[in-house]
Amino acid sequence: QITLKESGPTLVKPTQTLTLTCTFSGFSLSTTAVGVAWIRQPPGKALEWLALIFWDDDKRYSPSLKSRLTITKDTSKNQVVLTMTNMDPVDTATYYCARSLWPYYFDFWGQGTLVTVSS
Amino acid sequence: EIVLTQSPATLSLSPGERATLSCRASQSVSSYLAWYQQKPGQAPRLLIYDASNRATGIPARFSGSGSGTAFTLTISSLEPEDFAVYYCQQRSNLWTFGQGTKVEIK
Repeated sequence: QITLKESGPTLVKPTQTLTLTCTFSGFSLSTTAVGVAWIRQPPGKALEWLALIFWDDDKRYSPSLKSRLTITKDTSKNQVVLTMTNMDPVDTATYYCARSLWPYYFDFWGQGTLVTVSS
Repeated sequence: EIVLTQSPATLSLSPGERATLSCRASQSVSSYLAWYQQKPGQAPRLLIYDASNRATGIPARFSGSGSGTAFTLTISSLEPEDFAVYYCQQRSNLWTFGQGTKVEIK
């Protein structure tokens, strides 16, 4: 059974750095052709892809947010961490992590975690 | 960045009717397009990948077609549980999502 779960703060202040952790089970990020992505969704709005890390540690970022994002993995802990710097109220959203298996769509998702940016 | 434009924004239909949703890409994405369904308070669910392949466990009433810049998701006969928001997503050049089509009960 494949599961993913996001964890992290529910409230951050403007200019702070957000750190989110995705803890997963049922698959390994050391397996060829596996990746884990972060996707967010502001309240009432559309989905936005943020970043993806592959089994071989290759990484891809959304061009519009690349300067603010870092994605890393800890294969031994089955975790993927996303950091986003200089948070702003427009970054208020539900943040999802999702598995991505060749051909690299998002087939399993976490439940999401709502992050509010407010002073 | 490849922009995906979905139409219509809202589709009002009755159970049993056929739903046709459109997704247009700003440049060719070949067949590298997926469709997701999202219900309120839930994570999206993968329905269709590579334009026309149903994901595991997806009912046959869902079908996808198209290539290049024009794609269609068809729900042949709407069931009550199909009323939701649908997103298209491309993976030809990084990953982007459309803005969604809401299928609501008429």
